[in-house]
Amino acid sequence: GQQVMQIPQYQHVQEGEDFTTYCNSSTTLSNIQWYKQRPGGHPVFLIQLVKSGEVKKQKRLTFQFGEAKKNSSLHITATQTTDVGTYFCAGRSGNTPLVFGKGTRLSVIA
Amino acid sequence: NAGVTQTPKFQVLKTGQSMTLQCAQDMNHNSMYWYRQDPGMGLRLIYYSASEGTTDKGEVPNGYNVSRLNKREFSLRLESAAPSQTSVYFCASSQRDGDSPLHFGNGTRLTVT
Repeated sequence: GQQVMQIPQYQHVQEGEDFTTYCNSSTTLSNIQWYKQRPGGHPVFLIQLVKSGEVKKQKRLTFQFGEAKKNSSLHITATQTTDVGTYFCAGRSGNTPLVFGKGTRLSVIA
Repeated sequence: NAGVTQTPKFQVLKTGQSMTLQCAQDMNHNSMYWYRQDPGMGLRLIYYSASEGTTDKGEVPNGYNVSRLNKREFSLRLESAAPSQTSVYFCASSQRDGDSPLHFGNGTRLTVT
């Protein structure tokens, strides 16, 4: 079945450093979504990408969808302590339900 | 506007006991979902309901049953709880299955001893 791999599993950064998490699918995706989960909280939707090669920005966050629609990335510029949490990608292939990656847990050291 | 409401927040069961997790959304969403979250495993889909009147199995349906009671409510039942079902359970809803944002409830932390 469809698999969504996400790396790295953990990332520790100094405040002010950049951070990137990568998502790769075994199949071509029709769309990909990104979520953030704060410690002890629930996942919160960040963004959805649909088009091949699409790039979207939200303040310090940049989201990319690969040309082949099999991979995606989330890049955070100049991390802050408020960025702490686990970032999940979730992709859909055809009419199947969204499949979540295992997430990247980001720790930010002040 | 409450969004997605799950009850209970915490539950401890003994092996073999049964229970129902309740979920309700007030956003008039068509699709509803049940996920479980285990350390290092991400979010795994148990069951989902793409629209009122339909339910389908997800990735890990064994040991669970669901009921889409109406458009607002989607319950998850454990008939005979097992320690392997110790997890955090999230209910979610979306306007359309697959291409709309998921809105999650606050979760139910279930421990089976």
